[in-house]
Amino acid sequence: AQSVTQLDSQVPVFEEAPVELRCNYSSSVSVYLFWYVQYPNQGLQLLLKYLSGSTLVKGINGFEAEFNKSQTSFHLRKPSVHISDTAEYFCAVSPNAGGTSYGKLTFGQGTILTVHP
Amino acid sequence: GAGVSQSPRYKVAKRGQDVALRCDPISGHVSLFWYQQALGQGPEFLTYFQNEAQLDKSGLPSDRFFAERPEGSVSTLKIQRTQQEDSAVYLCASSWGLATYEQYFGPGTRLTVT
Repeated sequence: AQSVTQLDSQVPVFEEAPVELRCNYSSSVSVYLFWYVQYPNQGLQLLLKYLSGSTLVKGINGFEAEFNKSQTSFHLRKPSVHISDTAEYFCAVSPNAGGTSYGKLTFGQGTILTVHP
Repeated sequence: GAGVSQSPRYKVAKRGQDVALRCDPISGHVSLFWYQQALGQGPEFLTYFQNEAQLDKSGLPSDRFFAERPEGSVSTLKIQRTQQEDSAVYLCASSWGLATYEQYFGPGTRLTVT
């Protein structure tokens, strides 16, 4: 089984400041890792994903995340945020079963990022 | 065509009523998922289809919950004898196939049981 912990339920930040949203996971098997964003009244949208290879992954809208296997973390970062980044962000994992895994996602509880002018 | 669509977007049911929630996935997507998102929580897995076959229903909370995808496209999640604890947003997602493929989410159906 997998579990995901997002350490901050709310993160307020000023426009153009850097931000880090923290995510830790627990799993008895190897996992793929994802960050999704949810804008009000919209569906979840994939920001970025880690499948294999380089531990630093870049996504849409200037976001990036780094996979740290020893710390079982996948923190999301952006060097300079905009008002439009205000949304809820979800970290998620799915089992990596050597190509047979179908992608059942386990989500964290979400972090609400609020960007103030 | 367009993205994943779900209907209705909002549903109010009296306790004890049956409800049916519809999901139209992206055309050609093999995999279809249902998730339940309670207020202030992350989505939780309910069930998974590969084409018309329901391969995992381990997340369905009780036997009052039933899902089907008879022709491998549109899916319906049915909840019988709704209870207040069923109030949540029900999300549908579809993808081309296995875990490495992106899941595309619909806007969800917000179910309120009074």
